[in-house]
Amino acid sequence: AQSVTQLDSHVSVSEGTPVLLRCNYSSSYSPSLFWYVQHPNKGLQLLLKYTSAATLVKGINGFEAEFKKSETSFHLTKPSAHMSDAAEYFCVALMNTGFQKLVFGTGTRLLVSP
Amino acid sequence: DVKVTQSSRYLVKRTGEKVFLECVQDMDHENMFWYRQDPGLGLRLIYFSYDVKMKEKGDIPEGYSVSREKKERFSLILESASTNQTSMYLCASSRGTGYSEQYFGPGTRLTVT
Repeated sequence: AQSVTQLDSHVSVSEGTPVLLRCNYSSSYSPSLFWYVQHPNKGLQLLLKYTSAATLVKGINGFEAEFKKSETSFHLTKPSAHMSDAAEYFCVALMNTGFQKLVFGTGTRLLVSP
Repeated sequence: DVKVTQSSRYLVKRTGEKVFLECVQDMDHENMFWYRQDPGLGLRLIYFSYDVKMKEKGDIPEGYSVSREKKERFSLILESASTNQTSMYLCASSRGTGYSEQYFGPGTRLTVT
């Protein structure tokens, strides 16, 4: 069965320092993977997606993620955190069922301090 | 600009009540989804629909039903609300087959007392 594990429930950084949000997946094949962000009282927004093209994927707001098959990882990074990055982030995999069924990780809450 | 709207941001209902959560999208999307979001569990799929009057069970359909009479509207129904259905409910929509981005509504926080 396909699954997604987000290794940290909370990550705290200072403004201007790098961000690393970790995600590992379990799948018998190379999946399509995504990162979504949820700001307080708002719906989820797609940050970036990996669909078996380039392994380094660039998203919105300066975020990027690298697909590493050997490590079954898809970690999200940003060189310099901004206060507006404080939100909850979800790593998501697309199930190969012939339909668009997404499998969500449990989420990582990013806290950014001044 | 794409838009998915949900009828209520906050809702308080009593145990045993029948509850309707409404979702409307203005993007002419074929697919619509209902998720439940709980702390530490992420989002879990309740039901989805890939066409008018079509519905498929997700991972946690028990205690819920859905209705899709029009393409733009997808309703989630709690036939007899229970306290363990207190949660955040998110609706999403997407177009076509294969993968395309799912667009999410702002969510409805339902409390059942």
